[in-house]
Amino acid sequence: QSALTQPASVSGSPGQSITISCTGTSSDVGVYNSVSWYQQHPGEAPKLIIYGVSNRPSGVSHRFSGSKSGNTASLTISGLQAEDEADYYCSSYTITTSLFGGGTKLTVL
Amino acid sequence: EVQLLESGGGLVQPGGSLRLSCAASGFSFTTYDMSWVRQAPGKGLEWVSTISFSGDRTYYAYSVKGRFTVSRDNSENTVYLQMNSLTAEDTAFYHCAARTYTIGWYFEYWGQGTLVTVSS
Repeated sequence: QSALTQPASVSGSPGQSITISCTGTSSDVGVYNSVSWYQQHPGEAPKLIIYGVSNRPSGVSHRFSGSKSGNTASLTISGLQAEDEADYYCSSYTITTSLFGGGTKLTVL
Repeated sequence: EVQLLESGGGLVQPGGSLRLSCAASGFSFTTYDMSWVRQAPGKGLEWVSTISFSGDRTYYAYSVKGRFTVSRDNSENTVYLQMNSLTAEDTAFYHCAARTYTIGWYFEYWGQGTLVTVSS
């Protein structure tokens, strides 16, 4: 199965909102509610920020939210802050594999 | 505090073998599936393999099937990745990750990774 499709980069100014899309197929994103999102700062391990499409782990800012429509999931970050500048990856479960998106580099202008 | 500490990476020649280890602490290791996810330098994440919490089920990416073997020792809270017939395309940081299910499946905890370089 192919990787999920994400835009290579997005940018926004402090205080603005941005949305990162993650497109899969009817065999992964479209059928399972197991879409998760990860934030990775340079030199660090990935960090879970959204699971089950739209749920935030304890300690993750409410400025992060997730949704899904059909075969496309989305991550929205509101009230952008400088510390949000990082790479973001989506992931979807399937019965025999896990898929990741190619990653999106978020630049806070 | 949750910790996943990978080790065993290094420089290996094409066709060679390497065994990675990941020592877990700070969470209930025996209730989590464990996975390996790799990341070529400057590139994105690629799922490699998952082993079930009990060790009775294993899954592999097509790119490593038949060459890599995942295993775990629940008495030692450690997961392993035996890598054989390595090629330059296997060069990457290898992260171990703890996978769980509550609302959907997801990788809850991650290690920093260990670098594997395949080169002559």
